[in-house]
Amino acid sequence: GNSVTQMEGPVTLSEEAFLTINCTYTATGYPSLFWYVQYPGEGLQLLLKATKADDKGSNKGFEATYRKETTSFHLEKGSVQVSDSAVYFCALRPYSTLTFGKGTMLLVSP
Amino acid sequence: GAGVSQSPSNKVTEKGKDVELRCDPISGHTALYWYRQSLGQGLEFLIYFQGNSAPDKSGLPSDRFSAERTGGSVSTLTIQRTQQEDSAVYLCASSLRGDYNSPLHFGNGTRLTVT
Repeated sequence: GNSVTQMEGPVTLSEEAFLTINCTYTATGYPSLFWYVQYPGEGLQLLLKATKADDKGSNKGFEATYRKETTSFHLEKGSVQVSDSAVYFCALRPYSTLTFGKGTMLLVSP
Repeated sequence: GAGVSQSPSNKVTEKGKDVELRCDPISGHTALYWYRQSLGQGLEFLIYFQGNSAPDKSGLPSDRFSAERTGGSVSTLTIQRTQQEDSAVYLCASSLRGDYNSPLHFGNGTRLTVT
């Protein structure tokens, strides 16, 4: 079946630190991969996506590369800001529905 | 434009009562999804509607859960005889189409508390 595993949080960083949140997946076929973000008190928002192997999704300084050989889609950002504090969800979508990881909380302090 | 709207935003109910949660998708979106978000469980898929096709109910946790989508637009998720373990945030999402290239847009959810 399809599943997503992401690192448990919370991840606590100081402003301007480098961020990596690991995500690995198990899937049949060739799913699209996504990162969603949930800011405090808000709904889930699409952060970035990649639809095929070696694609790099990017948005708001965040990046993730679809690595088929390692079945991974790690989220990175070179310099985090306090406003990046949120819960980040990795997800895969082989057909119509999304399968999510359990989420990783990121806390950035000034 | 208007996003996905869910109501109520919060619902407190007594164990054993029935509840109805409403979702208004983005106009023109043919696909509609319900998910449940609870502590320690992440986001669980519940049910998926696509156009006039039979819904994918594979994620519904028990026969106490059901959902309808009337006229291809508004959807209602019904939980009968609520239990404390039903307490969670219920999220609705819609997408223009049901294919993987069509991103999901989520509402802010309904927080259900069963006492």
